[in-house]
Amino acid sequence: NAGVMQNPRHLVRRRGQEARLRCSPMKGHSHVYWYRQLPEEGLKFMVYLQKENIIDESGMPKERFSAEFPKEGPSILRIQQVVRGDSAAYFCASSPGTSGDNEQFFGPGTRLTVL
Amino acid sequence: GDSVTQMEGPVTLSEEAFLTINCTYTATGYPSLFWYVQYPGEGLQLLLKATKADDKGSNKGFEATYRKETTSFHLEKGSVQVSDSAVYFCALTAGSGNTGKLIFGQGTTLQVKP
Repeated sequence: NAGVMQNPRHLVRRRGQEARLRCSPMKGHSHVYWYRQLPEEGLKFMVYLQKENIIDESGMPKERFSAEFPKEGPSILRIQQVVRGDSAAYFCASSPGTSGDNEQFFGPGTRLTVL
Repeated sequence: GDSVTQMEGPVTLSEEAFLTINCTYTATGYPSLFWYVQYPGEGLQLLLKATKADDKGSNKGFEATYRKETTSFHLEKGSVQVSDSAVYFCALTAGSGNTGKLIFGQGTTLQVKP
């Protein structure tokens, strides 16, 4: 059973460009979480999605950021008009459910660098 | 709101030394508590967890006990190895009505020297 897949692993963008980060959850997992890790900091929750639905986006910046998890295909985190402050590691995690007993399995992350 | 506070690092130990990384939390309801480990360039891996008061999570020689009275979940290991060098994150998920999202501490870097 393959783990959580994220691609690309490294992404370089110039200011003003768009960044698209992809996450394929573990087989059988329908819950996806995105977290951002700024340099020298812990992970911060961004958004929680189930298939075709955004359940909790309380951690998402109000502008330029969006996320989706379509019925078919990976979850996408999209950052429009990137700025240098968006440089970070973005981690996706998947889970079979939301109760406290359900472990979240993390992908290897996408490291975004904005020039 | 809910939060997690960890001791600042880096923590530098010699091989076979005893390890403690302190973690305290603030939460409403009854959170589940976790320790995750991150090796360089990798994602997070669950190390251990506890879902209710007085539970002890353990894995690979690491232990942590859920202490509701002191709102703590300190990580301990009796004898560290060089291979334990990594960043350790304490985290919680909220109690009733939660969506399973994790709230992390800032992480503690552990360096173990031979």
